[in-house]
Amino acid sequence: DTGVSQDPRHKITKRGQNVTFRCDPISEHNRLYWYRQTLGQGPEFLTYFQNEAQLEKSRLLSDRFSAERPKGSFSTLEIQRTEQGDSAMYLCASSHESGEQYFGPGTRLTVT
Amino acid sequence: AQSVTQLGSHVSVSEGALVLLRCNYSSSVPPYLFWYVQYPNQGLQLLLKYTSAATLVKGINGFEAEFKKSETSFHLTKPSAHMSDAAEYFCAVMYGGSQGNLIFGKGTKLSVKP
Repeated sequence: DTGVSQDPRHKITKRGQNVTFRCDPISEHNRLYWYRQTLGQGPEFLTYFQNEAQLEKSRLLSDRFSAERPKGSFSTLEIQRTEQGDSAMYLCASSHESGEQYFGPGTRLTVT
Repeated sequence: AQSVTQLGSHVSVSEGALVLLRCNYSSSVPPYLFWYVQYPNQGLQLLLKYTSAATLVKGINGFEAEFKKSETSFHLTKPSAHMSDAAEYFCAVMYGGSQGNLIFGKGTKLSVKP
């Protein structure tokens, strides 16, 4: 069990650029979640997949955000036309039927 | 809206002292409850969870939490703090059984003095 992995760990981008993050869940987990964490706050839910189906999206997920999970394995989160307010830690988690969510190390995004 | 409140954004204890981190949730229907720990620049690690079985839940690293429905609380305790316990702790709730997303509190940063 290698745990949840995320790539890259850090990303610095200029305002207006597009960025894409990748999450590889624990292999037998069919559920995958994305959260965003800003400084001094707890993580906030963005979206959730069961296998390849995106079942829920938070209103925090504006039109500039899109997430995919092709073939129900890894997932990508893309942010288009980044804004300074997008600077945050983006966390991925996966779970099985028990509901316990296991988190990856996160991708820290800085928009300059 | 459903929410989680963690009282005290920063708690400081001496090494060997009792650790008590407070968490209250807002719902008449008991949710699933979790405590996570986060070390600097890392993801979250699950400490323990409550899913409507025993009200006293034991977790990793000597932590435990007690679910009290009448107080809508799920406070985290550890009898004796270690320096390695210094981190940020998040309480989270999950509604809708085991299929929902987590709603987190704002976190409590624990400092341990030698």
